[in-house]
Amino acid sequence: GNSVTQMEGPVTLSEEAFLTINCTYTATGYPSLFWYVQYPGEGLQLLLKATKADDKGSNKGFEATYRKETTSFHLEKGSVQVSDSAVYFCALFISNFGNEKLTFGTGTRLTIIP
Amino acid sequence: GAGVSQSPSNKVTEKGKDVELRCDPISGHTALYWYRQSLGQGLEFLIYFQGNSAPDKSGLPSDRFSAERTGGSVSTLTIQRTQQEDSAVYLCASSSLLDTQYFGPGTRLTVL
Repeated sequence: GNSVTQMEGPVTLSEEAFLTINCTYTATGYPSLFWYVQYPGEGLQLLLKATKADDKGSNKGFEATYRKETTSFHLEKGSVQVSDSAVYFCALFISNFGNEKLTFGTGTRLTIIP
Repeated sequence: GAGVSQSPSNKVTEKGKDVELRCDPISGHTALYWYRQSLGQGLEFLIYFQGNSAPDKSGLPSDRFSAERTGGSVSTLTIQRTQQEDSAVYLCASSSLLDTQYFGPGTRLTVL
C-alpha cells in the first residue's frame, strides 16, 4: 500500500536557522506530493505541492523537490522565523478511480525560538 | 472566495449519544473527503464522495459511522452511540476532480 514516512519531531530551531524536514514515500504508481501546515489552533493549509518527478514546489520561502529516484520530498527553508512554528505534514495522492485519498505522514512539530 | 466551512467548531457530547457534523465544501468542488485527526492515530481517511456517491468508504472505523452528501454539496457525518475513542478533530476537505484538497477548520468532538 501507499505510505509516507516523515522525520520524527519535535524539532526546535533558532530564528534564521536552516530547516530540513525529511519525507519519503512508498507508492504504487505516480503520486502527487504535498506539504500541509497546521498553525496552532488552525486547520490544515496547503503549503506547497509537486505533481511529477523533478518538480519543485515553493511557497513562503519553503521549497521541496519531487525526487523519484530517492522517493523523497524533503521540505527546506533557508531562514526560519518564529511565525513558522507549526506542525508540518507530508502527504501523497494517487488517483485510482474510486480509491482516492490523501495519505499523510505522522506530522513534524516545529518550534522556532527567537 | 469562501473556503470549506464546518459546523459546529466544537461539540461536547455524552457517551452513547448521536452526533452530526456538517461540511460545506468550496462551491463547484465535486469531490469531498472526511478525515479524522487524533493524538494516537494521526490523520486518518474516513470517506470520499464524488458528487453524491461514495465510492470509497474504506476508512469508516465502524458501522456507527455514516455519511451522506446531498445536492453534490453539503455533507453530514453522523456518529451513532458515540464512544470515548471517537474523540478527535474531524476534518473535511474538498477538491475539483483529482486536484488539490482544501481543508476546513475542523470540528473538535469530545465524548465524555
